[in-house]
This record gives sequence, C-alpha cells and structure tokens, in this order.
Amino acid sequence: SYELTQPPSVSVSPGQTARITCSGDALPKKYAYWYQQKSGQAPVLVIYEDNKRPSGIPERFSGSSSGTVATLTISGAQVEDESDYYCYSTDSSGNEGVFGGGTKLTVL
Amino acid sequence: EVQLLESGGGLVQPGGSLRLSCVVSGLTFSNYAMSWVRQAPGKGLEWVSSISGSGGGTYYADSVKGRFTISRDNSKNTLYLQMNSLRAEDTAVYYCAKSTHPTFGGVGAYDYWGQGALVTAPS
Repeated sequence: SYELTQPPSVSVSPGQTARITCSGDALPKKYAYWYQQKSGQAPVLVIYEDNKRPSGIPERFSGSSSGTVATLTISGAQVEDESDYYCYSTDSSGNEGVFGGGTKLTVL
Repeated sequence: EVQLLESGGGLVQPGGSLRLSCVVSGLTFSNYAMSWVRQAPGKGLEWVSSISGSGGGTYYADSVKGRFTISRDNSKNTLYLQMNSLRAEDTAVYYCAKSTHPTFGGVGAYDYWGQGALVTAPS
C-alpha cells in the first residue's frame, strides 16, 4: 500500500525556521495536507492543497510541494508550535487515504 | 457552529462487533464527504475509511477491508462505522472527520473533527 515518509523528529530554537518534509510517489499528482496535533487533542488543519492556509492559522505556517516532496515550513517557530505534525494525501488512484508517520516538533 | 459528536466506543472482546456513530450539526451534511481516522495508543494517525456526500462511494484501508463498513444517513446527519471481527490491533481512538469536498479522491481537507471515541479490543 501507499506510504508517506516523514522524519520522526525536528528540533529548532525559538525564532528559527522549522521545516518538515513528507515524501511520496504520488505527490506530483495529489495534494498534500498538513495537520497539527497536540497531546490528547483532535488534529487541526494547518495547510491544505499544498500551500493554502485556513483562516485562523498564523502566517508563519506555510507549505510547498515540489516533485515527490511536500514541505511544511514554520517561520519563526514559537514554543506553542511544539506538536506532532502529520502530512496527508491519497494514492495516485485517489481511492486510498494515507497519513505520514508524523513528526514531533520540539521548540526549545 | 459545526459540531461532530462520536458515540458507541467501548470495550469489546476480539472477534466481536461494535458500531460507532457521529452526529454532525451546523451544516448541510449531505454536501460533504466524511471519513473515519484512528489513532492507536502512542501511535500516529491512520486513515480508516471514507464515504462521499451522497453515500454512493465508499473507500477502505486494506487493514479493515472486509471487516468494517462505513455508511451514512443524511436524513439524520449521522455517519456510522460498523466494525466486525475486531482484533487487538484495532484498539484506538476513532475520530470522525468532515471533508471540505463532496467526494473523496485526493481532494478535500478534513476541516472539522470529532472529539474521538475509544475502542478497546484487548489481546
């Protein structure tokens, strides 16, 4: 079955730029979506359709996609951005949804 | 205000069955595809199943195909997940999630989520 690959962890200091990657063979054809999940809470959408930001999401969150890699960028990361982040997409047929394994972002 | 409220979780013996429900309010339910996403204790998110707004299209992860059935009743604004032949590895919090699109297939973000329902099938 189709897989999306993320690094298990990323660590930055406050104010630095955090980049989380997501690789998958179908990403040139399918959108990537990014979700933030804090401990014990439901996920929250932070980026949709590769690079669009929902209302209410801070401007420091941005997304991009090139070839088989999608990237979530947090410019000027803040302590409150410490969370697990998951990319999501579908296989090339659009019949199977898949989440990446998740990336734990540490800001300290 | 859009709200998703899951119910039906609980403890079930391996091989048993359970039905989850998700009641949605604050929008025109039939206009949106819906999905179930689960998260095993200490693990990541796993897509389980999706259904189109009309109910005419259903999609399943290989791990649940043939055991789980997704359905919806648009007159009751309710999404269901019938889970049969449960296994220990099905133990997880199950979230219902609303799509921004009427169909499933690589478009549509999950913009609203329920609070989750815990299903436990001990080994």
